[in-house]
Amino acid sequence: ETGVTQSPTHLIKTRGQQVTLRCSSQSGHNTVSWYQQALGQGPQFIFQYYREEENGRGNFPPRFSGLQFPNYSSELNVNALELDDSALYLCASTSGNTGELFFGEGSRLTVL
Amino acid sequence: RKEVEQDPGPFNVPEGATVAFNCTYSNSASQSFFWYRQDCRKEPKLLMSVYSSGNEDGRFTAQLNRASQYISLLIRDSKLSDSATYLCVVTASGGSYIPTFGRGTSLIVHP
Repeated sequence: ETGVTQSPTHLIKTRGQQVTLRCSSQSGHNTVSWYQQALGQGPQFIFQYYREEENGRGNFPPRFSGLQFPNYSSELNVNALELDDSALYLCASTSGNTGELFFGEGSRLTVL
Repeated sequence: RKEVEQDPGPFNVPEGATVAFNCTYSNSASQSFFWYRQDCRKEPKLLMSVYSSGNEDGRFTAQLNRASQYISLLIRDSKLSDSATYLCVVTASGGSYIPTFGRGTSLIVHP
């Protein structure tokens, strides 16, 4: 167990809808990253939060947004869902000492 | 050119075989390197970090070649349970600590 939990684990949405995914990071980890993993691909970096501030962003449109809360939990919001947004969304907290990423089990989103 | 490149495979090997994967990276400022393992429909988990001097953990050996900008993973005496996707992860220095993943290499170990 990594101590990183994500919810929901599975969800189905339709095009144009909005979704919020949640992540509770491992205790003591103040950095959270979100990744999108399409089938057969490696995880693609969406953004990272450090102490409630966005600390880096990948090549994703503005309809992908996020938040980090004082307890270091985090949310990923996606507006105006498209079919290509169907993927596994992974949240990872980072050990400041080793740089190791600790992943949650992911939220599997299907957009119809 | 992608930042981190891996041969997707699959590598199909018999039990007991030795198999090696390479991963190339484009950013010469990269500082940290890791191999992660991902089982089907599961989250990635750290297999091992890769140090400049190389490191070994049981049947697994990881090496870094900074001059040629690649890292490698060698698995000796393959087991059925080694079947998984192996993801290369590279982190650049300077400012944000953003780990970048390769697409992964699929390994299938058969009896």
